[in-house]
Amino acid sequence: AQSVTQPDIHITVSEGASLELRCNYSYGATPYLFWYVQSPGQGLQLLLKYFSGDTLVQGIKGFEAEFKRSQSSFNLRKPSVHWSDAAEYFCAVGAWYGNKLVFGAGTILRVKS
Amino acid sequence: NAGVTQTPKFQVLKTGQSMTLQCAQDMNHNSMYWYRQDPGMGLRLIYYSASEGTTDKGEVPNGYNVSRLNKREFSLRLESAAPSQTSVYFCASSAGGAAGNTEAFFGQGTRLTVV
Repeated sequence: AQSVTQPDIHITVSEGASLELRCNYSYGATPYLFWYVQSPGQGLQLLLKYFSGDTLVQGIKGFEAEFKRSQSSFNLRKPSVHWSDAAEYFCAVGAWYGNKLVFGAGTILRVKS
Repeated sequence: NAGVTQTPKFQVLKTGQSMTLQCAQDMNHNSMYWYRQDPGMGLRLIYYSASEGTTDKGEVPNGYNVSRLNKREFSLRLESAAPSQTSVYFCASSAGGAAGNTEAFFGQGTRLTVV
């Protein structure tokens, strides 16, 4: 069975600073990997996804993530954070078979001016 | 383009009451999911349906039942609500199928309070 760990519950960064949110997964085969963002009181919006191919994937809102098989990681990055990026971010892993999608516990991002 | 539609958006139940949360998607997706979201716990999978006619338990199925009524609709039933089921419930769908495409699209959520 697959699982996801997001080690940081809260992260605070200054506006304009760079950001990295950590995600580690456990799955026996090549996974589907996702990052979602949730603004307060809203549903989840897909930021980016990795299925295969290039291990550095670009998403919306200037986010990118890098799949590192050797480290079982899929960390999310942004070079310069904006105040509007304050939200909760979820990493998720999907299975090739059975179509099961499992989420991490989330990381709450606070942006200080 | 409705995507995934959940009803109701808000609900208050008394302990022991029953209710059904409805979910419908118009994207012709094979797979559908029910999650609950609690502070600090992320989204936990309650049940999912990989394809029409099949349902499987997720991480936290106790106290819930589901029905995949047809390809479009996937309902979640609480037979006897408990305060521990106070949560925000999300329905999602994905293309699924043989390729295992699990990119999920979410509804806006149902905020359920059990008193």
